[in-house]
Amino acid sequence: AQSVAQPEDQVNVAEGNPLTVKCTYSVSGNPYLFWYVQYPNRGLQFLLKYITGDNLVKGSYGFEAEFNKSQTSFHLKKPSALVSDSALYFCAVRTGSYQLTFGKGTKLSVIP
Amino acid sequence: NAGVTQTPKFQVLKTGQSMTLQCAQDMNHEYMSWYRQDPGMGLRLIHYSVGAGITDQGEVPNGYNVSRSTTEDFPLRLLSAAPSQTSVYFCASKGGRGNTEAFFGQGTRLTVV
Repeated sequence: AQSVAQPEDQVNVAEGNPLTVKCTYSVSGNPYLFWYVQYPNRGLQFLLKYITGDNLVKGSYGFEAEFNKSQTSFHLKKPSALVSDSALYFCAVRTGSYQLTFGKGTKLSVIP
Repeated sequence: NAGVTQTPKFQVLKTGQSMTLQCAQDMNHEYMSWYRQDPGMGLRLIHYSVGAGITDQGEVPNGYNVSRSTTEDFPLRLLSAAPSQTSVYFCASKGGRGNTEAFFGQGTRLTVV
């Protein structure tokens, strides 16, 4: 079965430091991978996606993600964290023609 | 630019009551879906639809019904609410297969007492 895993329930980082939120995947064939962010009491918002091509994908709000086929990973990164980045982050993988399967989420806290 | 609209935002039900969660999208998307979000469990797919008149079950369909009479609307019905259905429900729509992103509504927080 196709799936993603987010190994960390919570990540704490100081404001201004680089941040990484981890995601690993298990798929047969080529993976379509996504990152979403959820701010408190809001729906999920799309950040970025990997379909094919460059392994470094740039997305919204200064976020980027690195696709690593050998390590089956798709980690979300940002060079300098902001307090406003504090939110719940979800990795997702395409598991059907339309369907997405989500990881359990990682809570990011950026400390002033 | 409304996107995906869910109503109501909050709802409290008594065990055994029925209700319908509404979802509408104005992007002419063919694919719509319902998820539930529970702490520590991420989002789990309840039902989905790939077009008007077509619906299918997701990972956790029991206790829920859906229909898709129009492209725009995809209501989720709770037939007889149970405390285990206390959750936050999200509707999402998607414009195409595979490589397109999904757009989410703001969510409905449902409590069953």
